[in-house]
Amino acid sequence: DAEITQSPRHKITETGRQVTLACHQTWNHNNMFWYRQDLGHGLRLIHYSYGVQDTNKGEVSDGYSVSRSNTEDLPLTLESAASSQTSVYFCASSARTGGTGELFFGEGSRLTVL
Amino acid sequence: AQSVTQPDIHITVSEGASLELRCNYSYGATPYLFWYVQSPGQGLQLLLKYFSGDTLVQGIKGFEAEFKRSQSSFNLRKPSVHWSDAAEYFCAVGAMEYGNKLVFGAGTILRVKS
Repeated sequence: DAEITQSPRHKITETGRQVTLACHQTWNHNNMFWYRQDLGHGLRLIHYSYGVQDTNKGEVSDGYSVSRSNTEDLPLTLESAASSQTSVYFCASSARTGGTGELFFGEGSRLTVL
Repeated sequence: AQSVTQPDIHITVSEGASLELRCNYSYGATPYLFWYVQSPGQGLQLLLKYFSGDTLVQGIKGFEAEFKRSQSSFNLRKPSVHWSDAAEYFCAVGAMEYGNKLVFGAGTILRVKS
């Protein structure tokens, strides 16, 4: 079955370190998204991509970057981790173009920045 | 800017009782509407979606939702709640002119008491 997997599921790091969260989907979806989930805020969009070599900023993109070198992967990098980036991160993908399609989510990556 | 409001942060219902979770949105266009459910430690699962047509949509696990354009609402309902329905529920909205991005509400945590 097609799926979307995130790794690591849990990560503890220190302030100032670079961290990369991996996201891999086997749906062959063009669209991929990274959200962060914080209590009281729901899910907020960090970055998204509509295809290979395409990346776009979401509403909370400061301190994060992504790259899309193939269809399957959209890694999220925290250049210099900050305590404010302690959160649960969700990767998602969707198939439809020209409209809003259903998002398929990974199981999340819990990041703690000490 | 588009926004989604879920007025209730927590709701507690008795098992077997009916449930209604509220969702209001602010969009300048015809929205696409979704309800997702998240069990503890899990990713988000789609319950139901509305794109067009019949304003009452049926979803999985016995849930339904009604789109009311005049009230900018998309409330989720279930006639009889089961203990396994305890989870967090998210309303999400998108629109074609905003690409494939969804905006999520802050979520409603449902507790079921026996």
